[in-house]
Amino acid sequence: DVKVTQSSRYLVKRTGEKVFLECVQDMDHENMFWYRQDPGLGLRLIYFSYDVKMKEKGDIPEGYSVSREKKERFSLILESASTNQTSMYLCASSMTGEFGSEAFFGQGTRLTVV
Amino acid sequence: AQKITQTQPGMFVQEKEAVTLDCTYDTSDPSYGLFWYKQPSSGEMIFLIYQGSYDQQNATEGRYSLNFQKARKSANLVISASQLGDSAMYFCAMRDEGKLIFGQGTELSVKP
Repeated sequence: DVKVTQSSRYLVKRTGEKVFLECVQDMDHENMFWYRQDPGLGLRLIYFSYDVKMKEKGDIPEGYSVSREKKERFSLILESASTNQTSMYLCASSMTGEFGSEAFFGQGTRLTVV
Repeated sequence: AQKITQTQPGMFVQEKEAVTLDCTYDTSDPSYGLFWYKQPSSGEMIFLIYQGSYDQQNATEGRYSLNFQKARKSANLVISASQLGDSAMYFCAMRDEGKLIFGQGTELSVKP
């Protein structure tokens, strides 16, 4: 069974902390994505990666960075957490570039920055 | 720039009736894919249906069908014979140039 696992379901961090959100997939997918989900705004793409060590900015990359050292793992980093980064974060993975390749999602991490 | 728009924040439908959820998109790429996902209150994202830009036929998956009008850049989801379990958020998504972007979502409530 395909699986995308996010390291935490809930996280509370303090303003200014460096925060790591981890995502691991076991499907040997080339593409991985990080989104944040806010009410009324849907899912907004932060970063995506199409191969190891490769990354592309999404629509809202400011305040975030990513790391993909291994194919199965894609990390989202909040360099200095702020209260406006309180949100639900979703990780997804899919096969390379095929338009028909559906994305598989993790269970989400609800991050609260206080 | 690519864009997906869902203009219906919330919809109500009577059980056993059909409902259409709207989605329009914008891209300059001739090759792209369109998806619909369902997100129940549990939060999981469930893939429902896919339509490729070159597909001649509208996609169907059980009670779900996609009304694809390429010239109008619309990809509406039609759910036939609504069930109480269809109450959820529904997201339209588009994939081109590797990116996968989503719309704002529509919250569907099915009334008994």
